[in-house]
Amino acid sequence: EPEVTQTPSHQVTQMGQEVILRCVPISNHLYFYWYRQILGQKVEFLVSFYNNEISEKSEIFDDQFSVERPDGSNFTLKIRSTKLEDSAMYFCASSDGRYNEQFFGPGTRLTVL
Amino acid sequence: SQQGEEDPQALSIQEGENATMNCSYKTSINNLQWYRQNSGRGLVHLILIRSNEREKHSGRLRVTLDTSKKSSSLLITASRAADTASYFCATDGIQGAQKLVFGQGTRLTINP
Repeated sequence: EPEVTQTPSHQVTQMGQEVILRCVPISNHLYFYWYRQILGQKVEFLVSFYNNEISEKSEIFDDQFSVERPDGSNFTLKIRSTKLEDSAMYFCASSDGRYNEQFFGPGTRLTVL
Repeated sequence: SQQGEEDPQALSIQEGENATMNCSYKTSINNLQWYRQNSGRGLVHLILIRSNEREKHSGRLRVTLDTSKKSSSLLITASRAADTASYFCATDGIQGAQKLVFGQGTRLTINP
């Protein structure tokens, strides 16, 4: 069964460093999303991406964040200068858009020291 | 906001019993989805119910949706130890593919 994959599973970085989180969505999906979950809190929407552009973003997704689909299979989230409060589990999701049924990857746990 | 809120926050039952979790939301929705999350792991998609549907089944799962009360329930029948996890509902709006808004989740513990 096709699934969303994410790498790395765990990333540790120093405050101020740039990180890139990678996702491979399900191959025939056209809508891509990033969410995050701070430990013990709700899953929060960050950004949605369709047709090579951002379709919606949350207040969390400020100028420090960017997304890219560099090729036909990868979807990346970049945080330019990480802060302590960026420590969270980051989930990628994809959908074929038919009923907005979103399938999530296993997540990347980002720890900012 | 479209926030879904689950109830109860925690539920502990014996293996073999049925587990019912509820979700309420505030605004009109297009779809409501339920997800499972094992501790510290990814979100597993369980079931999607559209706003024009009232009930849906998948294996041991039964989901109901009452749009007049803005609420949904997830029933897991004949629970197993492997069902121990957190369960979340997530709602989206009425304008096509867009963000999901998650509730706080129900932590379900199945005791052997």
